[in-house]
Amino acid sequence: DAKTTQPNSMESNEEEPVHLPCNHSTISGTDYIHWYRQLPSQGPEYVIHGLTSNVNNRMASLAIAEDRKSSTLILHRATLRDAAVYYCFHSGNTGKLIFGQGTTLQVKP
Amino acid sequence: NAGVTQTPKFQVLKTGQSMTLQCAQDMNHEYMSWYRQDPGMGLRLIHYSVGAGITDQGEVPNGYNVSRSTTEDFPLRLLSAAPSQTSVYFCASTMAGGLITEAFFGQGTRLTVV
Repeated sequence: DAKTTQPNSMESNEEEPVHLPCNHSTISGTDYIHWYRQLPSQGPEYVIHGLTSNVNNRMASLAIAEDRKSSTLILHRATLRDAAVYYCFHSGNTGKLIFGQGTTLQVKP
Repeated sequence: NAGVTQTPKFQVLKTGQSMTLQCAQDMNHEYMSWYRQDPGMGLRLIHYSVGAGITDQGEVPNGYNVSRSTTEDFPLRLLSAAPSQTSVYFCASTMAGGLITEAFFGQGTRLTVV
């Protein structure tokens, strides 16, 4: 099964950028990289996904290494509402989405 | 759209009882999944389905059964509840077709087995 590695926790100051890393040691050529986050007492929510190129959306940016063995989720200006557990994983089109342990992001005012 | 709806939101069971957690989605998604999340832990995949009539095991399938008779519904059955199954259960759905895109999650069912 897909294996990812993330730091257990990170801290950021409000309104500063945050770079959340993820290692995708078992990624294959056709797997997409996904990021989700989970706010306290809620279900996970989609953040962003990509294949090879860097991706941007209204929530965040995703930077993917050239060898695709690592990715970085970038929150350009962290807010208190961004405090959550962030999960990265990679998946092909099998419907089998395996989450890792996630990174707990704390945002300090 | 309602998205992914899970019922009930809370449930207390006695050891040995059986029950079914309901999950319904109204987005015509082909892929549906069940996860459990223990306190302070990440999500672990229990079972998943790639379409009506097709299911497969995830990381922790023991003690749970699923079926997928319709596209909309994907119920999770606990056959004989055990305290180790105390957890929060999440259902998710996503559209298939060449690319896994955004998965939508329900709000969860908090299950306590005493």
